[in-house]
Amino acid sequence: QVQLQESGPGLVEPSQTLSLSCTVSGGSLSDDDHYWGWLRQSPGKGLEWIGYIYFSGHSYSNPSLKSRVSLSVDTSNNQFSLKLNSVTAADTAVYFCARAPPYFRESSGSYYVGYFDLWGPGALVTVSS
Amino acid sequence: DIQMTQSPSTLSAFVGDRVTITCRASQNINNWLAWYQQKPGKAPRLLIYEASTLQSGVPPRFSGGGSGTEFTLTISSLQPDDFATYFCQEYNTLRTFGQGTRVEI
Repeated sequence: QVQLQESGPGLVEPSQTLSLSCTVSGGSLSDDDHYWGWLRQSPGKGLEWIGYIYFSGHSYSNPSLKSRVSLSVDTSNNQFSLKLNSVTAADTAVYFCARAPPYFRESSGSYYVGYFDLWGPGALVTVSS
Repeated sequence: DIQMTQSPSTLSAFVGDRVTITCRASQNINNWLAWYQQKPGKAPRLLIYEASTLQSGVPPRFSGGGSGTEFTLTISSLQPDDFATYFCQEYNTLRTFGQGTRVEI
C-alpha cells in the first residue's frame, strides 16, 4: 500500500529557506491519479494547507503563503518537495505531506483538489537561531 | 476568507455514548466538507468527505451530515479507540480547517 514519508532538516535559521521532501513508496507518484500536497500544524495556527502539485508539475499554493512557497516533483525518485523561504518563528510547525484525490463538481464540469486521504507521519521543523 | 468553527472544543463522554460534533462555516460551502481524526503525535486520518461519504475502511459508527453552513459528525457508539481530536475541513475555497474538538473520557 502507498505510504508517504517526510524528510529534511528539523532546525532552520530565521530568514533562511525551509526544505522538505516527501517520498512516496508502494506506488508511483506519476502513475497514480492523485495530487500531492503539503500541510502544516502549529499550536497557534492549527492545521493549514500549504499547497499541492501534480506529477506534471502543475501546482497551486495557499495565497497567504504563495509568495514564499515553491513546490516541485521528482518522478525519477518518486518524491515531491516543498521550499518555504524567508522563514520566521511563525513557520515553526509539524509539516505533513499528503495525497489528494481529485473530485468532480457537476456545477462547473471540472475536477478539483480538496481533501487529503493519506498522510505522512509528519516532520517537526523549528525556526530558531 | 471562510472561517470554520467547531463546537464543542472539548467533549467528555463514556464508551457507548452517542456523540455529535458540530462544524459551522462562515459562508456557504455546499457539501464540500471533510472530517478527520487525529491522535497525539500522529497524522490526521480522513473519516468522511463530501460531508457524508464514509472513507473506505472507516467504521460505520461514524457518520456525517449537513450542507451549506452547518455540518455534524456523529459517532453512534463511542469506542475506546475513538478518544481523539476531530477536525473539519472545507474545500470549497482555501481548504480551511476547524480548530478541533477533543473527545475525552
